[in-house]
Amino acid sequence: RKEVEQDPGPFNVPEGATVAFNCTYSNSASQSFFWYRQDCRKEPKLLMSVYSSGNEDGRFTAQLNRASQYISLLIRDSKLSDSATYLCVVIRNNDMRFGAGTRLTVKP
Amino acid sequence: EAQVTQNPRYLITVTGKKLTVTCSQNMNHEYMSWYRQDPGLGLRQIYYSMNVEATDKGDVPEGYKVSRKEKRNFPLILESPSPNQTSLYFCASSLSSMTFGELFFGEGSRLTVL
Repeated sequence: RKEVEQDPGPFNVPEGATVAFNCTYSNSASQSFFWYRQDCRKEPKLLMSVYSSGNEDGRFTAQLNRASQYISLLIRDSKLSDSATYLCVVIRNNDMRFGAGTRLTVKP
Repeated sequence: EAQVTQNPRYLITVTGKKLTVTCSQNMNHEYMSWYRQDPGLGLRQIYYSMNVEATDKGDVPEGYKVSRKEKRNFPLILESPSPNQTSLYFCASSLSSMTFGELFFGEGSRLTVL
């Protein structure tokens, strides 16, 4: 079993839709969590950290469920510009693991 | 402009011909790291550096070397490249080892080894 797993998608949604991705991790001692966004053929860029109590940044909401060992990213009112691959990151001590990414396509 | 700069961006080489991919950041970041990205496998860490003269192996260090003689530079060296090192490589930096989850990435270097 991979340490960090994501549904690869693709998720194809219409503009304005709400979409959610999950990312599961295998090590219960994992400490820090992040979401990155990667556009096609570009470098990953930090989207947001994931806090224990959950956090929101505009249309984006990140949540952590330690009991079930997953983090989630919710995107409301999807825009065409949200089309990208979303990578989750899980950190334990100095060990940082990326998920393989979930691809999102937002269509007009 | 704050950035991480990698060179070359694209390279085709042959098996066994030593090459270096340079990485430089202008943000005075302490933490730097190298990743390779392959389809279906995601980003895997090759090496990282917490600060000058401090480097450690990541998940896939075999066939690679690094050095950190100056804070701003973190070159990746392939002493004898092989076809299985064909990949997309990213260098990244972070303010410190306390914040290394918040990475700034370079634009990537696409390497093909024939």
